[in-house]
Amino acid sequence: KQEVTQIPAALSVPEGENLVLNCSFTDSAIYNLQWFRQDPGKGLTSLLLIQSSQREQTSGRLNASLDKSSGRSTLYIAASQPGDSATYLCAVRDNYGQNFVFGPGTRLSVLP
Amino acid sequence: DAGITQSPRYKITETGRQVTLMCHQTWSHSYMFWYRQDLGHGLRLIYYSAAADITDKGEVPDGYVVSRSKTENFPLTLESATRSQTSVYFCASSEWTSGLYNEQFFGPGTRLTVL
Repeated sequence: KQEVTQIPAALSVPEGENLVLNCSFTDSAIYNLQWFRQDPGKGLTSLLLIQSSQREQTSGRLNASLDKSSGRSTLYIAASQPGDSATYLCAVRDNYGQNFVFGPGTRLSVLP
Repeated sequence: DAGITQSPRYKITETGRQVTLMCHQTWSHSYMFWYRQDLGHGLRLIYYSAAADITDKGEVPDGYVVSRSKTENFPLTLESATRSQTSVYFCASSEWTSGLYNEQFFGPGTRLTVL
């Protein structure tokens, strides 16, 4: 059974810092991996999607990498801002394409 | 409104009552999903649908029923609500294009309380 973990569970950084969030999964037979952010009391906002054949994806200050063989993905946030404060979730889609497994999330606080 | 909408946004009900949560998407995505989010368990898949009239169970389907008579709608019914079904419910959709599954998009959620 696929299990997804995220480290750290919570992170507090001063504004302007570059930071890395980690996502690990136990079964490397994934179809793709998606990163989301969730603001308190809100739904999930899609950030980046990495297909299993890809190594990384970039969107603005965000860069996500994928190493399927080692079961890891990282989300790099450059020049963090207070507006980046949220919970970040990663989710893997299995090879059958129909099942998503989510990690527990990393709660990020960016201090002004 | 474009995107995914869920209704109601908040619902309080009593044990044993039937409750239906609605989900509507305007993109005509083939795939739709229902998740529940609980402290300590994260997001877990309840049911998914690959197309109209095609549905299948996810990780935690017990106590829930789904239907999909139209591509754009995917209602979730709790036939006899229990306190353990108190949760936040999210609907999502995605599409298959050019041989690839695309990203999932989520609705705003329904906060359900069962007394």
